[in-house]
Amino acid sequence: DAGITQSPRHKVTETGTPVTLRCHQTENHRYMYWYRQDPGHGLRLIHYSYGVKDTDKGEVSDGYSVSRSKTEDFLLTLESATSSQTSVYFCAIAGRQHYEQYFGPGTRLTVT
Amino acid sequence: TQLLEQSPQFLSIQEGENLTVYCNSSSVFSSLQWYRQEPGEGPVLLVTVVTGGEVKKLKRLTFQFGDARKDSSLHITAAQPGDTGLYLCAGAQNFNKFYFGSGTKLNVKP
Repeated sequence: DAGITQSPRHKVTETGTPVTLRCHQTENHRYMYWYRQDPGHGLRLIHYSYGVKDTDKGEVSDGYSVSRSKTEDFLLTLESATSSQTSVYFCAIAGRQHYEQYFGPGTRLTVT
Repeated sequence: TQLLEQSPQFLSIQEGENLTVYCNSSSVFSSLQWYRQEPGEGPVLLVTVVTGGEVKKLKRLTFQFGDARKDSSLHITAAQPGDTGLYLCAGAQNFNKFYFGSGTKLNVKP
């Protein structure tokens, strides 16, 4: 158990509303990641962080922003949710060797 | 366009059969990981391969990294129902950016 929690685990929201998903780790790891998983696409990287206040974009970052004010927390925000952002969102941390990841349990987001 | 192509997408076999899953790319990766994911859960790391040509064994699972570090395979010997799940490969570039294949959904029937 890599000590990663995500909240909420399920959320239904309406188009146009802001949504924030939270990832919390107890491992004091430097690298954290947000992915979305959709059928036929596997996992796609949205944003990642390599330290407090240090973040960078992934391959599907449009419509998403992130913040990391503490080592243990990485927040993903959808400023104005759209139906295309309906997905399962996973947070991950990189292991000590950097080339392995440990995932949280996921957040299922439905935008109606 | 997927940076990593996995094949087959779906595989349904009988208990005791052998199978191989492939993960291919035209890009070079510094390392490659294999994960298994159960429904409703996050992916769980199975193995990491780092050196071109490297072979790693995990009980009945054998993982190989291509010599050029662009592809990998996962071979399962004598599959069991407990092997059922979604198998994902992921390649790392620059040690901190990971690209996932679309996955192979394996169903092992008793």
